[in-house]
Amino acid sequence: GAVVSQHPSWVICKSGTSVKIECRSLDFQATTMFWYRQFPKQSLMLMATSNEGSKATYEQGVEKDKFLINHASLTLSTLTVTSAHPEDSSFYICSARVPGVETGELFFGEGSRLTVL
Amino acid sequence: GQNIDQPTEMTATEGAIVQINCTYQTSGFNGLFWYQQHAGEAPTFLSYNVLDGLEEKGRFSSFLSRSKGYSYLLLKELQMKDSASYLCAVMDSNYQLIWGAGTKLIIKP
Repeated sequence: GAVVSQHPSWVICKSGTSVKIECRSLDFQATTMFWYRQFPKQSLMLMATSNEGSKATYEQGVEKDKFLINHASLTLSTLTVTSAHPEDSSFYICSARVPGVETGELFFGEGSRLTVL
Repeated sequence: GQNIDQPTEMTATEGAIVQINCTYQTSGFNGLFWYQQHAGEAPTFLSYNVLDGLEEKGRFSSFLSRSKGYSYLLLKELQMKDSASYLCAVMDSNYQLIWGAGTKLIIKP
């Protein structure tokens, strides 16, 4: 199946700093990528849809200026958590679907666990 | 509103069979997915149902009834490695995935 890679897997940062998470589709071109956040014992929450070459579409309640998304190429999307605070500590997961298969399965990256001290 | 319901937690014995149910109410329907998620890891795809009936894939089977808004995931010959959370997700008319909260499955020896 298709491969999505995410980096870093773990990151610990101080409050007030910014953290960038990368999501790459390794063997296919992803015009759209999805960013999720997952708190312990809760389900996946879609944060935003990243669109190559255009602005991301954010879900209601997600701050655009805090969670910056850049989808500069067909194989790379980045999520930057700006001025991170302890409440931003969570598991962030990106995913993508093979283009042209609207009902196809989502391929997930490995996830990035962010801990803000 | 859109809603996916599945049990929070289930316990089963190694070698046994377990059925995890999922009921849904969504705006349109373009298929139902089951994903497995081990603790601290990203979800991995298990199955996709868009037509009524049973889809079998090895030890895992998934059933769908669109008229009842109901699906189940059946796991046979349970192994310890099957201990994980199982997520039910429905794709609505806008091709958006609506996720359930997941069912944590605990396998005991």
